[in-house]
Amino acid sequence: SQQGEEDPQALSIQEGENATMNCSYKTSINNLQWYRQNSGRGLVHLILIRSNEREKHSGRLRVTLDTSKKSSSLLITASRAADTASYFCATDDNQGGKLIFGQGTELSVKP
Amino acid sequence: GAGVSQSPRYKVAKRGQDVALRCDPISGHVSLFWYQQALGQGPEFLTYFQNEAQLDKSGLPSDRFFAERPEGSVSTLKIQRTQQEDSAVYLCASSPGRRSEKLFFGSGTQLSVL
Repeated sequence: SQQGEEDPQALSIQEGENATMNCSYKTSINNLQWYRQNSGRGLVHLILIRSNEREKHSGRLRVTLDTSKKSSSLLITASRAADTASYFCATDDNQGGKLIFGQGTELSVKP
Repeated sequence: GAGVSQSPRYKVAKRGQDVALRCDPISGHVSLFWYQQALGQGPEFLTYFQNEAQLDKSGLPSDRFFAERPEGSVSTLKIQRTQQEDSAVYLCASSPGRRSEKLFFGSGTQLSVL
């Protein structure tokens, strides 16, 4: 079963615009991670935010975490056509074991 | 350096056949994970190893699914008596530590059961 739920399920924007994806989860966590998946490929780790952090940046990525609302958001600024992919949030089971993924947001960036 | 390698890349099986999917993790990585991904869905957890110990197999859908990592490196996911509902992409991932932080994924094995 999935722990996280992303919204929107699909997002289509123009190059240069910002893309925001949201993730909600159900149980307490140690950390939340975002991954990206290009069609037909494996997932690639983008960024990890710990439960005691509220915001984190990495290049054009900005992640926020609100543990009181059990939600996170991923912002991609100045999007490029190469950002077209599916994006998944993932949370651990609070014991450092398995990582549980959401259903993903499919992002399409049009040139 | 080499990433996580999975073989075969594609597998077509007749219903009732047994299949074996291989995962070569990044050398030295302690943790290894197997996921099942249906088309258009997120990866679903199957099982997880730390070295050779299988610490969690709660996601294996039935007793037809079996995974092993006998020497703490290469892992094999075996599916016996395959069914059509087993058709999916099977993803393997490894991580350097004992916690599920920053997983490195292979490209997956796409299994089609006819």
